[in-house]
Amino acid sequence: DAGITQSPRHKVTETGTPVTLRCHQTENHRYMYWYRQDPGHGLRLIHYSYGVKDTDKGEVSDGYSVSRSKTEDFLLTLESATSSQTSVYFCAISAAGGVTEAFFGQGTRLTVV
Amino acid sequence: GENVEQHPSTLSVQEGDSAVIKCTYSDSASNYFPWYKQELGKRPQLIIDIRSNVGEKKDQRIAVTLNKTAKHFSLHITETQPEDSAVYFCAAKEADSGGYQKVTFGTGTKLQVIP
Repeated sequence: DAGITQSPRHKVTETGTPVTLRCHQTENHRYMYWYRQDPGHGLRLIHYSYGVKDTDKGEVSDGYSVSRSKTEDFLLTLESATSSQTSVYFCAISAAGGVTEAFFGQGTRLTVV
Repeated sequence: GENVEQHPSTLSVQEGDSAVIKCTYSDSASNYFPWYKQELGKRPQLIIDIRSNVGEKKDQRIAVTLNKTAKHFSLHITETQPEDSAVYFCAAKEADSGGYQKVTFGTGTKLQVIP
């Protein structure tokens, strides 16, 4: 398996609190992504990064921010968590953007109560 | 942006039968189409992909076909086995946008292989 880990794996948080999810890779891949997975919606892109400090929005970016200060780490922050952000979050990495295989992390199950 | 539709959402087949999952895409400039398999509680993993300069690709019991004119592509699994039970996602790469090429996923097909 590609060297990609997510932390935490599970989290329960209260509405209105900030939450940060971490994605760490050891592959030195340029591209990193955050997806959320919900029943009936498949995998939807939240934000992505194409280099250190280079990030952009995906299709469901409202309520989320990201940062990438090092090649190996990509952080996803929910500034003020809402129940609609209860989901499974996957980080993914790829060497050359959309034209090569994306390797996914194990996922983080986030519950906002 | 790209829109990928996937059908059916659920599929049950008897062990040994074939399974076919179909996807359509909207961006005629898309040129990379991966398929991912996600077992229960696990991460999605690439099982096969195809590029637009190829009409068909096979890997043992799985194959993918691409019809660029109709903008649809399909996953074929032959001689299905219980371990093929999983959720399958198709995806399509969008046309160039600022140098980065996003991949849009379908909504997934839950395949159940009945022993």
